[in-house]
Amino acid sequence: DAKTTQPNSMESNEEEPVHLPCNHSTISGTDYIHWYRQLPSQGPEYVIHGLTSNVNNRMASLAIAEDRKSSTLILHRATLRDAAVYYCILNGNTPLVFGKGTRLSVIA
Amino acid sequence: DAGVIQSPRHEVTEMGQEVTLRCKPISGHDYLFWYRQTMMRGLELLIYFNNNVPIDDSGMPEDRFSAKMPNASFSTLKIQPSEPRDSAVYFCASSPVGLANEKLFFGSGTQLSVL
Repeated sequence: DAKTTQPNSMESNEEEPVHLPCNHSTISGTDYIHWYRQLPSQGPEYVIHGLTSNVNNRMASLAIAEDRKSSTLILHRATLRDAAVYYCILNGNTPLVFGKGTRLSVIA
Repeated sequence: DAGVIQSPRHEVTEMGQEVTLRCKPISGHDYLFWYRQTMMRGLELLIYFNNNVPIDDSGMPEDRFSAKMPNASFSTLKIQPSEPRDSAVYFCASSPVGLANEKLFFGSGTQLSVL
C-alpha cells in the first residue's frame, strides 16, 4: 500500500485556520487522497477526498500539490469540536489502511 | 438512515468466554469492514465483505476470531475463547461500493474488555 507521512501532533488556536500537511511521495496515478478524522470516543468520520483538483466541502478544503506528492487539509476556522486525530489515507480501490494520523489540539 | 449500528456499545467479559459483536450496515451498502483499534497498533483492518462474501480475512489475528455476514443487513464478529489481549475497540464500517472514490461510514464501536 502507498504510504503517507503526517506530523504526530499539531496545535491551533480557536477560530484560526489550520493547515494539516500530508506527504505521499509514492502515490500512484489512480490513488485518491482521503481524509478522515476521529473525535474522542467515536469512530472515524469522513472529512474530504480528492484526486487531482482542490476540493471544498462544508467541513474543510483539500489542497493537492500539482505533482500529487503532498496535500494539505485546511480547516478554515478551528473550533474546540475540531480537536481530533486526522488521518490522511491513499485509496487505490482497496480497503482503507489507517496510519497514526495527526492529533490536533485546539486551544480556546 | 440511522448509520452503521453496532452492539453492544460496551462488553466486559472474562478470559475464556465467547464474545459476539454485532453490526448492522447502512442499507444498500455492498461492502462491510471490521476494524480493531488499540493504543499500541492503532486501527487495523480485520476482515471485509462484499455482497455478504468474505473477501480478505488476512487481518484476522488468530483462529479464535471468526466473522460472518448471513445477510446484507447483519454481520457478527466472534471471539472464542477470548483473551485479555483482545481488549480493544472494534469498529464496523460500510460503504456503497468498494471503489477508491467512495466514503466509508463507521459505527460508534464496541469497547471490549477481557479480564
